[in-house]
Amino acid sequence: AQTVTQSQPEMSVQEAETVTLSCTYDTSENNYYLFWYKQPPSRQMILVIRQEAYKQQNATENRFSVNFQKAAKSFSLKISDSQLGDTAMYFCAFRDDKIIFGKGTRLHILP
Amino acid sequence: NAGVTQTPKFQVLKTGQSMTLQCAQDMNHEYMSWYRQDPGMGLRLIHYSVGAGITDQGEVPNGYNVSRSTTEDFPLRLLSAAPSQTSVYFCASSYSFASNQPQHFGDGTRLSIL
Repeated sequence: AQTVTQSQPEMSVQEAETVTLSCTYDTSENNYYLFWYKQPPSRQMILVIRQEAYKQQNATENRFSVNFQKAAKSFSLKISDSQLGDTAMYFCAFRDDKIIFGKGTRLHILP
Repeated sequence: NAGVTQTPKFQVLKTGQSMTLQCAQDMNHEYMSWYRQDPGMGLRLIHYSVGAGITDQGEVPNGYNVSRSTTEDFPLRLLSAAPSQTSVYFCASSYSFASNQPQHFGDGTRLSIL
């Protein structure tokens, strides 16, 4: 069975700094998809970024980028120039025929 | 578009009672799923469906039933509520399974079992 592990339950960084959230997963599949979602205190789930496993190029979305290491089964999220509005829970998710989430990392951006 | 609509938003039950959490989407999405979110546990998959008439178990299916008679609706039934089922429940949908399409989430149902 697929598993997703986020090893950092909680992190704090100063505003404008860069932060990296880690995610590893376990699968025997070759084709799959990976996502990072953000959940602010409003409890909404918001897509941050996605990556197709068949693509070697790392995905980027403005200040958000990933470091996808397929052989290592690693999918970390880098947030550059962090902002107060980035404060939230961040979930890594793995998808083949179903979608499995990690336990999340609570990120605090400090003023 | 309404997106994914969950009802009710809040519910309090007594142990042993049954109830159905409703989920509807108007985006013609094939894939629908139910998660529960507990502190420190992330979102755990309860059941999912890759299309009308097809359902499958996720990570924590015990105590829950689902059906998918239409593309739009995916209700979650608690057969005999237990305090361990106190949680926030999210329904989600996406265009198809095994794709890069992200899931659209409902606003959640906060369920308390006394």
